[in-house]
Amino acid sequence: GQQLNQSPQSMFIQEGEDVSMNCTSSSIFNTWLWYKQDPGEGPVLLIALYKAGELTSNGRLTAQFGITRKDSFLNISASIPSDVGIYFCAGILTGGGNKLTFGTGTQLKVEL
Amino acid sequence: DVKVTQSSRYLVKRTGEKVFLECVQDMDHENMFWYRQDPGLGLRLIYFSYDVKMKEKGDIPEGYSVSREKKERFSLILESASTNQTSMYLCASSPWGTGDEKLFFGSGTQLSVL
Repeated sequence: GQQLNQSPQSMFIQEGEDVSMNCTSSSIFNTWLWYKQDPGEGPVLLIALYKAGELTSNGRLTAQFGITRKDSFLNISASIPSDVGIYFCAGILTGGGNKLTFGTGTQLKVEL
Repeated sequence: DVKVTQSSRYLVKRTGEKVFLECVQDMDHENMFWYRQDPGLGLRLIYFSYDVKMKEKGDIPEGYSVSREKKERFSLILESASTNQTSMYLCASSPWGTGDEKLFFGSGTQLSVL
């Protein structure tokens, strides 16, 4: 089935740094979501985006729904140790019913 | 505290065994899902259910079946476990009418098939 490609696959950053990651597809999506999975836990929804060009924030997190509707971006400002985890993008395809497709994940590690 | 509970955190089984993974949610959600998570592949949908006794195949149903006899419980069954089914299994639920995006996940079951 359809797969979303996330980049980078993993990141090792210093505390206080800003982080950027993205998610791309060859298909058009009408909803983009970002989830975070803490070590030993299931993913938790961070941000949902429903319109092309939409920019939404949740605390230090900001996500954007790409204009082409084939990509989405997540930024984390001033990273802290509890930002460690795996970040997944997910999307709902246009004409694909309500089925979610998940990305391959970006593993974030924060160095103190 | 509302939650999705998966019965086992870690499970070790032998090739050919029948394996049951249990999931219970206390949020009265209509929709329930089973995913498997593998490094570099993300989450892939195995089966889902929008109502009691109802089930639909996801993207990778081969080698799996499911059972939903009660609204709150959704079981994943590996009829004859194989080593390529070693993975993290995640159960999720969502309320009716929200689409699949408002998923609430359990903590996962790490299954090893030897």
